Amino acid sequence: AQSVAQPEDQVNVAEGNPLTVKCTYSVSGNPYLFWYVQYPNRGLQFLLKYITGDNLVKGSYGFEAEFNKSQTSFHLKKPSALVSDSALYFCAVRDENYGQNFVFGPGTRLSVLP
Amino acid sequence: DGGITQSPKYLFRKEGQNVTLSCEQNLNHDAMYWYRQDPGQGLRLIYYSQIVNDFQKGDIAEGYSVSREKKESFPLTVTSAQKNPTAFYLCASSSRDRLFFGSGTQLSVL
Repeated sequence: AQSVAQPEDQVNVAEGNPLTVKCTYSVSGNPYLFWYVQYPNRGLQFLLKYITGDNLVKGSYGFEAEFNKSQTSFHLKKPSALVSDSALYFCAVRDENYGQNFVFGPGTRLSVLP
Repeated sequence: DGGITQSPKYLFRKEGQNVTLSCEQNLNHDAMYWYRQDPGQGLRLIYYSQIVNDFQKGDIAEGYSVSREKKESFPLTVTSAQKNPTAFYLCASSSRDRLFFGSGTQLSVL
């Protein structure tokens, strides 16, 4: 079975500092990994994905994520946080052996303090 | 949220009433999904459909029903059997590589 863990419910960071939101996953086959962001009372917006290739993936709004197969992790990063980055972030995985079934982590609330 | 339209944005249900949430997509995707989101929690899969006239239960299907008569439409009915329906409901469709989400429907009980 596939699963996703986001070990931190909340991450606080000062504006201008680097941010990291952690994600680990478990799948039986090769993983397809995703990060989404949700603003209040809105749907989820796609940030980036890892399917294959380079372990460092660049996405929207200056975000990037690093795929680490040995640690089964896919942490989201940004070099310099903005107050407008404050939102709920979800990591998701799709196992190539389970068709189109996407599994989401519980979400991490990011607060960027001015 | 381009390509996925959910309506209404807010919906209120009376006791014993069935209500239907609409989801339409113009992305020509075969697969469509319904998720439930409770405050402070992640997304839980209610139902998904890989193709027209076929759908499968997700993790929390009890008290819900769906249909998939057309490729572009995947309505969700919250039945009176769902005793705790207050939540934010998200519809999505997928290409091979990612999910596309609608803007959601907030369902509350009167």
